[in-house]
Amino acid sequence: EPEVTQTPSHQVTQMGQEVILRCVPISNHLYFYWYRQILGQKVEFLVSFYNNEISEKSEIFDDQFSVERPDGSNFTLKIRSTKLEDSAMYFCASTGQGTSGPQHFGDGTRLSIL
Amino acid sequence: QQQVKQSPQSLIVQKGGISIINCAYENTAFDYFPWYQQFPGKGPALLIAIRPDVSEKKEGRFTISFNKSAKQFSLHIMDSQPGDSATYFCAARTEAAGNKLTFGGGTRVLVKP
Repeated sequence: EPEVTQTPSHQVTQMGQEVILRCVPISNHLYFYWYRQILGQKVEFLVSFYNNEISEKSEIFDDQFSVERPDGSNFTLKIRSTKLEDSAMYFCASTGQGTSGPQHFGDGTRLSIL
Repeated sequence: QQQVKQSPQSLIVQKGGISIINCAYENTAFDYFPWYQQFPGKGPALLIAIRPDVSEKKEGRFTISFNKSAKQFSLHIMDSQPGDSATYFCAARTEAAGNKLTFGGGTRVLVKP
């Protein structure tokens, strides 16, 4: 079964550094999402992306965050200047059957900010 | 308005028993209600989903019950097995709002052999 793939599985970064989290959505999917899950808390929506532009973003997704689809397969989340509170699991998801299709999640990247 | 409240936070059930997890929402514009199962170190995996025009949906041992007037929905896991031990998240979505999922707080289920 096709999967959403995320790399790296664990990223450790010094506070203030830039970090890029990478995702390879399912190949024929067109809608992409980033969510985050702070340890012990619920999964929170960050941003949705379609047709090379952001469809919607949450309050969490401030100017320090950006997303990009640099080629036909990758979808990235960049945090420009990381803060301690950015430490979380970041999940990428994609859906292919229009916006009404189920979202398929990757296994996440654990981001640890020191 | 956008919150989805989930209870209980944790649940212990004996093998063969029934696990019941409840969720409540406020936003009547929500039109799709999925349940996700998450094992440690893994991403959420879609388990079963329901739309508000249906009051119940069953897939194998998993059943969603939906009460539109009460704005509540629940997941029942029948004949619970140790392999069902995981964290379960309810979620809700409004297609008109770009398909983002709003998640409940999660329920950690432990099935004892």
